[in-house]
Amino acid sequence: QQKVQQSPESLTVSEGAMASLNCTFSDGTSNNFRWYRQHSAKGLEVLVSIFSDGEKEEGRFTAHLNRANLHVSLHIREPQPSDSAVYLCAVSGTGANTGKLTFGHGTILRVHP
Amino acid sequence: AQTIHQWPVAEIKAVGSPLSLGCTIKGKSSPNLYWYWQATGGTLQQLFYSITVGQVESVVQLNLSASRPKDDQFILSTEKLLLSHSGFYLCAWSPGWGGGEQYFGPGTRLTVL
Repeated sequence: QQKVQQSPESLTVSEGAMASLNCTFSDGTSNNFRWYRQHSAKGLEVLVSIFSDGEKEEGRFTAHLNRANLHVSLHIREPQPSDSAVYLCAVSGTGANTGKLTFGHGTILRVHP
Repeated sequence: AQTIHQWPVAEIKAVGSPLSLGCTIKGKSSPNLYWYWQATGGTLQQLFYSITVGQVESVVQLNLSASRPKDDQFILSTEKLLLSHSGFYLCAWSPGWGGGEQYFGPGTRLTVL
């Protein structure tokens, strides 16, 4: 069964400084890896989906995937106070369970002006 | 454009009372539908998914049931609520099974007293 761990639990950065979040998973054969953002118990907003090793950029959000190291990261360039939220890493299942997402516990990001 | 709507926005219910939460997706035919649950301070877990009308698969057993009476509607229910059912319920849809992106609704906050 896929296990997903996120670190750090919380992160505080100053506006404009790079924010880096980490996610490790137990099964590297998953098809895809996603980063979502959740503001104050609202719905989830997808930020980046990545399928292959390497880097994928979506605006100020860049994901790095390394399946061999069972690791995917999210880097937020020039974070703003409005980026303060919970960031969730999600890993898809494999085979018939591809539509099953397993989430990490989340990283609380606070961006100070 | 596709829109996803959940109702009610929030609910306060007594232990042992029945529950029905709803989700509708507009602008997309034959979506895959999902129910997720997030206990306060807990990890988001997928509860059910449905690929077609009348068909629902259970992922996690929580003494809840789900139904898909129409192509664009997904219902989560139980006849007897437990304290442990409290939390945040999210509905999501995807255009297909597998690696397709999952898009989340705004959620329903349930408090069981």
